[in-house]
Amino acid sequence: DTAVSQTPKYLVTQMGNDKSIKCEQNLGHDTMYWYKQDSKKFLKIMFSYNNKELIINETVPNRFSPKSPDKAHLNLHINSLELGDSAVYFCASSRDGTRGEQYFGPGTRLTVT
Amino acid sequence: LAKTTQPISMDSYEGQEVNITCSHNNIATNDYITWYQQFPSQGPRFIIQGYKTKVTNEVASLFIPADRKSSTLSLPRVSLSDTAVYYCLVGEDSSASKIIFGSGTRLSIRP
Repeated sequence: DTAVSQTPKYLVTQMGNDKSIKCEQNLGHDTMYWYKQDSKKFLKIMFSYNNKELIINETVPNRFSPKSPDKAHLNLHINSLELGDSAVYFCASSRDGTRGEQYFGPGTRLTVT
Repeated sequence: LAKTTQPISMDSYEGQEVNITCSHNNIATNDYITWYQQFPSQGPRFIIQGYKTKVTNEVASLFIPADRKSSTLSLPRVSLSDTAVYYCLVGEDSSASKIIFGSGTRLSIRP
């Protein structure tokens, strides 16, 4: 009974490629997030969606775009990948917006070569 | 922005009580304080959340002084499995863009 799942777990690709990471939650939560964790373990929020509406858009490159086909899914699309995009990306969800407990997925380790 | 500051690392022994303090001098009136635990190769996991005074659940206690400029996560009788990185997070519901995880505290428990 996985609460928040992500696919793929590992993603190795070359610079310039376009890739997507999928996220699904079966908790019935209204808000979903994407985080980036770099090699120094800093965890930075990138986006969140609440009822299909983007309510956070941190200073991330516009090569990154979240797509939410429904309340249970928030996919992350990345265009023209760069070396600096290499990191672990976590999806999360919460019931009560950002005040509430967030449930994180297992992460997707992206390596750009 | 309510920036948080935590010790980079801490060491302790099994059976001891561990207290990790987080400073958040610029905390806003509506900000809550939340702590997460992260094991290697896993996503963070919620531990506890509070607004003021003391909060206790089955795994930890959270102490928040009256001025709310700091908070202390207390882990009673730690075990080896408590070895992880602990993050302090300060934010409020209406300012979702202000979610900021600190650099975390790497806690190492020894036998």
